[in-house]
Amino acid sequence: QVQLQESGPRLVKPSETLSLTCTVSGGSISPYFWYWIRQPPGKSLEWIGYVYYHGGTEYNPSLKSRLTMSVATSKNQFYLNLTSVTAADTAVYYCARGVFNGYDFGAFEIWGQGTMVTVSS
Amino acid sequence: DIQMTQSPSSVSASVGDRVTITCRASQGVDNWLAWYQQKPGKAPTLLIYTISTLQSGVPSRFSGSGSGTDFTLTISSLQPEDSATYFCQQAYSFPRTFGPGTKVEIK
Repeated sequence: QVQLQESGPRLVKPSETLSLTCTVSGGSISPYFWYWIRQPPGKSLEWIGYVYYHGGTEYNPSLKSRLTMSVATSKNQFYLNLTSVTAADTAVYYCARGVFNGYDFGAFEIWGQGTMVTVSS
Repeated sequence: DIQMTQSPSSVSASVGDRVTITCRASQGVDNWLAWYQQKPGKAPTLLIYTISTLQSGVPSRFSGSGSGTDFTLTISSLQPEDSATYFCQQAYSFPRTFGPGTKVEIK
């Protein structure tokens, strides 16, 4: 079955860039929407944004000025870059696949296990 | 942004009890409402989308209902493995937003 795996640095210094990769195994990148969602310790979930398999994106306005998402279909991977990080960006970061049946249902049916990223000097 | 609220924030119930969790949106979300279950240290799992569509593999004791701004997740007969935090999420507009969560504990 389809599995997602996040990878990247667990510790990032303030003002630097947080870069994560999500590797999709057991299935294809197309024709799905691919999401990043984060969860600060002890808090609820925050939708970061999505990248569509052909490269289209939609970002959370609260993060948009610092955010870039991209996809590499040949590698079955998609990516998150968040610049100028602060302690407020400390969270578990999840990648996820959207429910899609010819249409994006806006819900997240397959999740990675999550990776805890801490912003600290 | 659409704000999502949930009540109660926590509930303690016995095995076999019927448990109901309410989710309210700050504006109408049509039928674009999903529910997730999250156990400690794990990623959330999708239970229900478009208000009442049960995700494949989810037990039938879970059901969703509601319309407009008010929605409900019902567990018809609580099982020990249902101990978790439950989140609602709107998929009507960007950014997608989640509720604060309801923690369900077994007495």
